Amino acid sequence: GQQVMQIPQYQHVQEGEDFTTYCNSSTTLSNIQWYKQRPGGHPVFLIQLVKSGEVKKQKRLTFQFGEAKKNSSLHITATQTTDVGTYFCAVNYGGATNKLIFGTGTLLAVQP
Amino acid sequence: DVKVTQSSRYLVKRTGEKVFLECVQDMDHENMFWYRQDPGLGLRLIYFSYDVKMKEKGDIPEGYSVSREKKERFSLILESASTNQTSMYLCASSLLGSPGPQHFGDGTRLSIL
Repeated sequence: GQQVMQIPQYQHVQEGEDFTTYCNSSTTLSNIQWYKQRPGGHPVFLIQLVKSGEVKKQKRLTFQFGEAKKNSSLHITATQTTDVGTYFCAVNYGGATNKLIFGTGTLLAVQP
Repeated sequence: DVKVTQSSRYLVKRTGEKVFLECVQDMDHENMFWYRQDPGLGLRLIYFSYDVKMKEKGDIPEGYSVSREKKERFSLILESASTNQTSMYLCASSLLGSPGPQHFGDGTRLSIL
């Protein structure tokens, strides 16, 4: 079946260091979304990527979609304590369904 | 802003009980979803619905059913609760069409004793 691997599961950084999480699929994707879940909160939509090789930026966050549309990354430059949380990718394989398959998430801890 | 409201934040039930989890959204979204979230497993889709009275199985539908009698309301039913259904349950909604952002409720932490 379709699998979505997200690595690493956990990352602990010092404030000011960079952070990257990766999402990999065994099958070509139609599009991918990224969500952030703060501790005790619910997932909140960050961005959607659709095009091969697409790169989007939101302040210190950079999102990239691979050329083959099988992988994606989220990079945070100069982490802050407000970046703490779990980052999920969510993929769609196309077709008639609006169904998303979520990755297992990367928990980011930022030490002040 | 989209508001997705789940009826209970915490719920404790006993094995064998029939359990209802309710979700209401106020943005006229066609799609609604039920997920469960467990440590290390991410969010797993139980059921979703793209219209009133329509439903489709997600990845882990066993032991669950759903009801969508009105567009704004999507109910998850545990027919006979079991301890392995102890989990965080999240409801989400989105507009119809190529998957757009899903808007989540605050979740219901369900414990089955």
